[in-house]
Amino acid sequence: AQSVTQLDSQVPVFEEAPVELRCNYSSSVSVYLFWYVQYPNQGLQLLLKYLSGSTLVESINGFEAEFNKSQTSFHLRKPSVHISDTAEYFCAVSEGGSNYKLTFGKGTLLTVNP
Amino acid sequence: DAGVTQSPTHLIKTRGQQVTLRCSPKSGHDTVSWYQQALGQGPQFIFQYYEEEERQRGNFPDRFSGHQFPNYSSELNVNALLLGDSALYLCASSLPGYEQYFGPGTRLTVT
Repeated sequence: AQSVTQLDSQVPVFEEAPVELRCNYSSSVSVYLFWYVQYPNQGLQLLLKYLSGSTLVESINGFEAEFNKSQTSFHLRKPSVHISDTAEYFCAVSEGGSNYKLTFGKGTLLTVNP
Repeated sequence: DAGVTQSPTHLIKTRGQQVTLRCSPKSGHDTVSWYQQALGQGPQFIFQYYEEEERQRGNFPDRFSGHQFPNYSSELNVNALLLGDSALYLCASSLPGYEQYFGPGTRLTVT
């Protein structure tokens, strides 16, 4: 069965500092990987996805994640964060297809301080 | 183009009652999935509907049931509510082979 571990429940950083949110997954088959962001009292928004091809994927707002098959990881990074990046971030994995059942980690609360 | 919409936004029910939550998928999407997100947790998969049939189901009891209509909208029904059913219920829609888009959720409180 697939599972996702987000290694940090909370990550506090200062504005303009770099950040890495860690995600490891477990699966016996090929997977599709996602990062979703959730702002307070809102639903989930897709931040970026790995389906196939290049192992480095980027979002339009400066985040990037790298799929590492040997380490079964999909860490999220941003070189310089903004106050507006404060949110809960969820890593998710899907087996069998990108629109199949998603298994989520417990989330990482990123707090950006001035 | 409207995204995924859910109704109602908030709901308060008493233990033992039944509840129905509704979801309209993003335009053109034919697959609907439901997730339960307890406070401080990641979403947990309940089930997925495609072509009006339940295609996948997570580890939830039979008290949780659903339906998909010909226009692809969907309902989630929960019978015999328990305090532990209090959560944010998220609906997601997708096309075959593409990622899921989530609605804003319905906050259910069971007292």
